[in-house]
Amino acid sequence: AQTVTQSQPEMSVQEAETVTLSCTYDTSESDYYLFWYKQPPSRQMILVIRQEAYKQQNATENRFSVNFQKAAKSFSLKISDSQLGDAAMYFCAYRSAGGNTPLVFGKGTRLSVIA
Amino acid sequence: GAGVSQSPRYKVAKRGQDVALRCDPISGHVSLFWYQQALGQGPEFLTYFQNEAQLDKSGLPSDRFFAERPEGSVSTLKIQRTQQEDSAVYLCASSLERVHEQFFGPGTRLTVL
Repeated sequence: AQTVTQSQPEMSVQEAETVTLSCTYDTSESDYYLFWYKQPPSRQMILVIRQEAYKQQNATENRFSVNFQKAAKSFSLKISDSQLGDAAMYFCAYRSAGGNTPLVFGKGTRLSVIA
Repeated sequence: GAGVSQSPRYKVAKRGQDVALRCDPISGHVSLFWYQQALGQGPEFLTYFQNEAQLDKSGLPSDRFFAERPEGSVSTLKIQRTQQEDSAVYLCASSLERVHEQFFGPGTRLTVL
């Protein structure tokens, strides 16, 4: 079974600074997808960024980018120019390829943004 | 268009009561997932539907949990004889077939006293 580990329960960052959230995963599969989801206090899970394992290029979405290291099974999220609205729980998630399969989530990292 | 909606947003039940949680997926989304999120944890998979067919229920924690999607759209998660350990947020997500992204609803927070 696949597992996802987020080793940082809490992180904080100054407004306008950069922060990196860590995620490692364990799988024997070669084709899969990785995601970062944001969950604010409203509980709505919002997709931040996704990465296909077969793509070597790291995904970017505006201020959000990932460092995907397939051999090391590492998938970190970098948030640049942090904003107060970035404060939330962040979950790393794994999904097998091939049809609709459920997401496997890490335990999350709570990000605080300091004004 | 409208996103995934769930009702009720909050539910308080006495131990032993039955509860029903509703999920309205995005129109046209074939796949529907239920997840359980305990306090301070990440969501955990419960069950999966493709249209009206329940293809995977391996995550349901006990036979007190039952889910259905009779017409392939709205889904209901039912928990019989609720226990305190059932207290959690129940999230519903839907997606198009063969598309990566799952869209989540706001969840139902269930508290069992």
